[in-house]
Amino acid sequence: GEDVEQSLFLSVREGDSSVINCTYTDSSSTYLYWYKQEPGAGLQLLTYIFSNMDMKQDQRLTVLLNKKDKHLSLRIADTQTGDSAIYFCADLFSGGYNKLIFGAGTRLAVHP
Amino acid sequence: DAMVIQNPRYQVTQFGKPVTLSCSQTLNHNVMYWYQQKSSQAPKLLFHYYDKDFNNEADTPDNFQSRRPNTSFCFLDIRSPGLGDAAMYLCATSRSGGGDTQYFGPGTRLTVL
Repeated sequence: GEDVEQSLFLSVREGDSSVINCTYTDSSSTYLYWYKQEPGAGLQLLTYIFSNMDMKQDQRLTVLLNKKDKHLSLRIADTQTGDSAIYFCADLFSGGYNKLIFGAGTRLAVHP
Repeated sequence: DAMVIQNPRYQVTQFGKPVTLSCSQTLNHNVMYWYQQKSSQAPKLLFHYYDKDFNNEADTPDNFQSRRPNTSFCFLDIRSPGLGDAAMYLCATSRSGGGDTQYFGPGTRLTVL
């Protein structure tokens, strides 16, 4: 089946940029998403990118998509302690009806 | 304003005792989903409803059932919970299919004793 992989942990200093990486295997992917999950909470949609784009910027968030390498990244500029959370990459699976395939999540820790 | 509501937020049940988790939405979306998220793992789709049309994932155990009595409500029934069913259960909705954004509720954390 299709797969999405992420590194499990990232630690950054407050004020620095964070870059969270994701790879996926679905060669017909149309949409890719980034969700944020704070402790004990559900998933909050941060941003998404359509597969015919290679970059999308939304305030402090920049998404880069390399479709050839099936690589997606999320850059958070000026990372704050409130950004500490788990970040999930998700692929809208082309072989199933509106099914999201999630990665295992990257835990972002922001320290002073 | 809460858009996808899940009750209860925490549920404790005994091994083998049926349990029902509830999800409601104020978005009037056509599609409702149930995901299972075990500790430190990715959320995994169990099934979804498009209106009244039920779509089960091939690897969802028979122990898991769902009901959608109307547009606003969807229930997850676990007929005989095992220790391996302890997880966070996430409900999500989307306006329709395709690339429509899925909006998630806060989840129900299920503990099985």
